[in-house]
Amino acid sequence: DAKTTQPPSMDCAEGRAANLPCNHSTISGNEYVYWYRQIHSQGPQYIIHGLKNNETNEMASLIITEDRKSSTLILPHATLRDTAVYYCIVRVATSNTGKLIFGQGTTLQVKP
Amino acid sequence: NAGVTQTPKFRILKIGQSMTLQCAQDMNHNYMYWYRQDPGMGLKLIYYSVGAGITDKGEVPNGYNVSRSTTEDFPLRLELAAPSQTSVYFCASSYPSGGEVKPQHFGDGTRLSIL
Repeated sequence: DAKTTQPPSMDCAEGRAANLPCNHSTISGNEYVYWYRQIHSQGPQYIIHGLKNNETNEMASLIITEDRKSSTLILPHATLRDTAVYYCIVRVATSNTGKLIFGQGTTLQVKP
Repeated sequence: NAGVTQTPKFRILKIGQSMTLQCAQDMNHNYMYWYRQDPGMGLKLIYYSVGAGITDKGEVPNGYNVSRSTTEDFPLRLELAAPSQTSVYFCASSYPSGGEVKPQHFGDGTRLSIL
């Protein structure tokens, strides 16, 4: 599975959009980008995933560059409850094990 | 919906003691996973299972054992507890569908201290 690079920390003002970048320059054609978050040492929570098209759900949007070497998770209107560690993970969706390899993620601090 | 249930939530062990961390899921998921998370770090995969009777090692399996006798349960065993095993342990489950393995559901964790 491709390795990812994320900034260790970011701040965002409450009510503003939070844009979390992820670099995955060695991604393969059959690898998806997954985002999870972990709020205050709870178990990680799945947010969204995508292959090459931009994706949106009730939690967030995922923008993947055309060359697929980087992506951005967008929380459109961040709240204090979005303060968490956000993990960007790349893996093959059709993996026969579904294993996830976590990096250290980005700690997002949403401030009032 | 219970989802993934881990017990106990907290435990303190003495060096050399043994214990089993319990994990149960009620979603009929084939795939189950054990991770550990040390302070300030990301999760590391210990063991995983793709079905009853099938287990395999992850990134950091040393000092642990698992078994999978049923679809619902995936216990993690520490045989001789060492201070280096002080960590937060998370269990997760998932399932394959349409040729894709779906995102994992996580439990709330077991906080284990070894003194």
